[in-house]
Amino acid sequence: DQQVKQNSPSLSVQEGRISILNCDYTNSMFDYFLWYKKYPAEGPTFLISISSIKDKNEDGRFTVFLNKSAKHLSLHIVPSQPGDSAVYFCAASLTSGTYKYIFGTGTRLKVLA
Amino acid sequence: DGGITQSPKYLFRKEGQNVTLSCEQNLNHDAMYWYRQDPGQGLRLIYYSQIVNDFQKGDIAEGYSVSREKKESFPLTVTSAQKNPTAFYLCASSTFGQGHVEAFFGQGTRLTVV
Repeated sequence: DQQVKQNSPSLSVQEGRISILNCDYTNSMFDYFLWYKKYPAEGPTFLISISSIKDKNEDGRFTVFLNKSAKHLSLHIVPSQPGDSAVYFCAASLTSGTYKYIFGTGTRLKVLA
Repeated sequence: DGGITQSPKYLFRKEGQNVTLSCEQNLNHDAMYWYRQDPGQGLRLIYYSQIVNDFQKGDIAEGYSVSREKKESFPLTVTSAQKNPTAFYLCASSTFGQGHVEAFFGQGTRLTVV
């Protein structure tokens, strides 16, 4: 049972436009959500996160939105740049109890110059 | 420089052999994790450890074993019981019990069974 889902395996966006990557989760106990960026044959690097008590967190060109009632989060990248082309994973965690990170299946973003 | 080191980067194994992947961190993190990446399946949790001498199974632990004898080391053994071991393996670490923190990843080990 996939607790964290990224239903779009790929996304193509023109340079300078907005990229929106989506993620859904099923476990209402998750209290922390993260986005990671990954290049081929490398480990993921942390991008941005949000606590369940917030609905938005912004860091430069990256903004994460959380809709708890819909169990949905999204990552907005504005403006998109060719260097943003990578696979993006969303992850969810419980900061008590078992304390582990559950990842989605990833969305491959391609920013076209 | 603090970080997580996985070795080797590429590993080839013959069918029926056990192989051990190394993961070392100097971030003073309590928690460590092993994930496996396959095309279209994201990162799946194999094992995790929140403290030395203790570890728990993740979602796909069958055919794998781990040990956590030292805080900085969390080796993963892929046994001959693992039916489809060819994959990209990622080790991660994080602090534990300090609220909302991110996990840091190593560069991965590509295991190929030949």
